[in-house]
Amino acid sequence: QQPVQSPQAVILREGEDAVINCSSSKALYSVHWYRQKHGEAPVFLMILLKGGEQKGHEKISASFNEKKQQSSLYLTASQLSYSGTYFCGTEYSPDSWGKFQFGAGTQVVVTP
Amino acid sequence: NAGVTQTPKFQVLKTGQSMTLQCAQDMNHEYMSWYRQDPGMGLRLIHYSVGAGITDQGEVPNGYNVSRSTTEDFPLRLLSAAPSQTSVYFCASRSRSWGYTFGSGTRLTVV
Repeated sequence: QQPVQSPQAVILREGEDAVINCSSSKALYSVHWYRQKHGEAPVFLMILLKGGEQKGHEKISASFNEKKQQSSLYLTASQLSYSGTYFCGTEYSPDSWGKFQFGAGTQVVVTP
Repeated sequence: NAGVTQTPKFQVLKTGQSMTLQCAQDMNHEYMSWYRQDPGMGLRLIHYSVGAGITDQGEVPNGYNVSRSTTEDFPLRLLSAAPSQTSVYFCASRSRSWGYTFGSGTRLTVV
């Protein structure tokens, strides 16, 4: 089942903060976060695993609440380069490759 | 640089034509998948593979075939193109406990 992202869109001024949420109706094994700029491919930001492990390319801040089956991505002191569409993706077990699903995305616009 | 290579970047097909979208990765990833992305629909899984010789259907497999004869290559074949298959197609690969690396995408238009 597709994870639910909120909000659908957010507009920020440079330096402001925002939170993007991703929730599931089933218990999660992992949550991924990706950013996609217009006309480009999605880029992996972070994976949060059951048990508390987090791995990622950038200094992105995120949390994973296993009991609530939800994750939040924190955009702190936003920069113009943060603009894009953010997707979460979820897995329910270590071997559920085929069940991986992306959320519908959250469009983020950062203005000067 | 290591990554996922997709070809072609753009393609226009006539209804009923067939074609193959190529995908290759050089990261020795076990898992490869094909997604399509339509406006307002996010990324939807077409087919996936967990290793050479092993493929399975995703959420929207109808009208597409895949094969995986090597770890590196995972081509997607459109059997008889339809206007509903107009989309942006992404190939992606990953290893366990890490995220997907996506190819640059193929913009397909079926007329």
